[in-house]
Amino acid sequence: GIQVEQSPPDLILQEGANSTLRCNFSDSVNNLQWFHQNPWGQLINLFYIPSGTKQNGRLSATTVATERYSLLYISSSQTTDSGVYFCAVSNFGNEKLTFGTGTRLTIIP
Amino acid sequence: ETGVTQSPTHLIKTRGQQVTLRCSSQSGHNTVSWYQQALGQGPQFIFQYYREEENGRGNFPPRFSGLQFPNYSSELNVNALELDDSALYLCASSLKGVPEAFFGQGTRLTVV
Repeated sequence: GIQVEQSPPDLILQEGANSTLRCNFSDSVNNLQWFHQNPWGQLINLFYIPSGTKQNGRLSATTVATERYSLLYISSSQTTDSGVYFCAVSNFGNEKLTFGTGTRLTIIP
Repeated sequence: ETGVTQSPTHLIKTRGQQVTLRCSSQSGHNTVSWYQQALGQGPQFIFQYYREEENGRGNFPPRFSGLQFPNYSSELNVNALELDDSALYLCASSLKGVPEAFFGQGTRLTVV
């Protein structure tokens, strides 16, 4: 099956800093989603981005499908950005999502 | 528009017991998927339901079973609970043919 790798596994930053999270995947995909898992466990949808670039406030994401990677950018980090960020993909004809192992982001005041 | 809701939020069961978890899909969605997330790991796909039938299954034993109802809500049943079944169980809903999935808040199951 498709493999998903995320890096870095852990990231500790001062409030106000910028960060880049990476997701590599091993096969063609028709779905790539970025999620933020809050402390209570809920997966919050950030982006649905199988290709191209999207922005939502301080967050933006880029997926280069031909090179099989996606990047999530967080600018001017706030303490509320802390948590685990997951990338998940599915490929054509198979709608199950395969998740990476996540990046744990800690923002220090 | 209502989001995906799961119940209960927390549950403690004894090894060997059976458990039923419930999920209401987001308004307008007709497909429900279930995932298991062990501590410190990413969610793992259990199975998906569409038109009240199982439509894909991950690497989980038959004691994990499910149902989907005409209103697209769903249940996850786990028989003969084992300690390793302790995890966060997440339900996701989507519209068939539109890959983007939306998740509920999860049910945290503890098996003692």
